[in-house]
Amino acid sequence: TQLLEQSPQFLSIQEGENLTVYCNSSSVFSSLQWYRQEPGEGPVLLVTVVTGGEVKKLKRLTFQFGDARKDSSLHITAAQPGDTGLYLCAGAGGTSYGKLTFGQGTILTVHP
Amino acid sequence: DAGVTQSPTHLIKTRGQQVTLRCSPKSGHDTVSWYQQALGQGPQFIFQYYEEEERQRGNFPDRFSGHQFPNYSSELNVNALLLGDSALYLCASSLAGSSPLHFGNGTRLTVT
Repeated sequence: TQLLEQSPQFLSIQEGENLTVYCNSSSVFSSLQWYRQEPGEGPVLLVTVVTGGEVKKLKRLTFQFGDARKDSSLHITAAQPGDTGLYLCAGAGGTSYGKLTFGQGTILTVHP
Repeated sequence: DAGVTQSPTHLIKTRGQQVTLRCSPKSGHDTVSWYQQALGQGPQFIFQYYEEEERQRGNFPDRFSGHQFPNYSSELNVNALLLGDSALYLCASSLAGSSPLHFGNGTRLTVT
């Protein structure tokens, strides 16, 4: 059974601070995705990383896939209140994206 | 271009009853996956439907069943509801093997 451990579970910071969310597993994933979910809505895909060591940037968000494709991190620079939400990492074990293994999520609150 | 739509948005059922949830995939998508998200947790994979057949299944009992129709829409059925079935049920669609998931906003099921 593939498991993804996400940390921290809760993060409460002030506007302008930096933060990092970690996603770790003992299993190798063919790709790893990061989603953001707001209350009452479904998860929305932020990024997919496929290659070990890959780094992707999305404005103030930086995503990294570990060299061994077992772990990933999400770094947010100068967080803003609009970044508040539930961040989820999800791993895919094969070529099909349908069956994803999700971490338990990180609830981020950014205070103005 | 309509995204993934789910109905109903909210549902209250009594323990022991049966429930049917519905999902219409994003236009052009042919694969539907269902996930269960308990409060404060990441989504858990229930099953995936492609070409009207169940292609993959997660660790859920046989009380959970589904169907996909020729127009690619899908239903999730849960029999003999338990209190622990209370959760947000998410439907996600994709184009088999070639795209990431697009999630609907879910159906919030409460079992009393």
